[in-house]
Amino acid sequence: EIVLTQSPATLSLSPGERATLSCRASQSVNSYLAWYQQKPGQAPRLLIYDVSNRATGIPARFSGSGSGTDFTLTISTLEPEDFAVYYCQQRSDWPPFTFGPGTRVDIK
Amino acid sequence: EVQLLESGGGLVQPGGSLRLSCAASGFTFSTYVMNWVRQSPGKGLEWVSSIGGSGGDTFYADSVRGRFAISRDNSENKVYLQMNGLRAVDTAVYYCAKTLGSLTGYSDSWGQGTLVTVSS
Repeated sequence: EIVLTQSPATLSLSPGERATLSCRASQSVNSYLAWYQQKPGQAPRLLIYDVSNRATGIPARFSGSGSGTDFTLTISTLEPEDFAVYYCQQRSDWPPFTFGPGTRVDIK
Repeated sequence: EVQLLESGGGLVQPGGSLRLSCAASGFTFSTYVMNWVRQSPGKGLEWVSSIGGSGGDTFYADSVRGRFAISRDNSENKVYLQMNGLRAVDTAVYYCAKTLGSLTGYSDSWGQGTLVTVSS
């Protein structure tokens, strides 16, 4: 089973700042990595799939990069609605599809 | 517009059973892999099970294999999760999710979730 780790666990930033979130895999996931956003009391929302492809309706301030085992989600300029928990997920080697433990982006 | 509506959650005693349902609309249901993902209170996301469009292919997390069974009724646009032998660790919000195109594993539409609580 591929284990995903995310860092940092919590990121405290102000609106307008840049957010950089990391996801590391225990073995290569090739390009089969996605990012989800989850706000309190809501279902997750797909942001990015296959490392760098934005899902439908996702603003351009969200971007993904990386390859192999190391991946990054960047939010170029934080908007108030971006404060949430972010999860990475792999579909390279399944079952199971695995998720990282999440990074919380909160308001500084 | 894609809509997924889960139902069937509730309080059940350890060892008991529940059947979750997910009613889908807004897309050609039979052509998509469907998924169940759960989230324990205050915790992260855990993939539980997936089922192919025809229902012939099913996949499970090790933690539920042999206790849970996923199925679908394409005539009614519904997917189900039969949960037997429930344990306290199965307590979670269970989400039904639609796969992104043919990219099995990625979920681009989610229901609002249904809470399953396993407790005596």
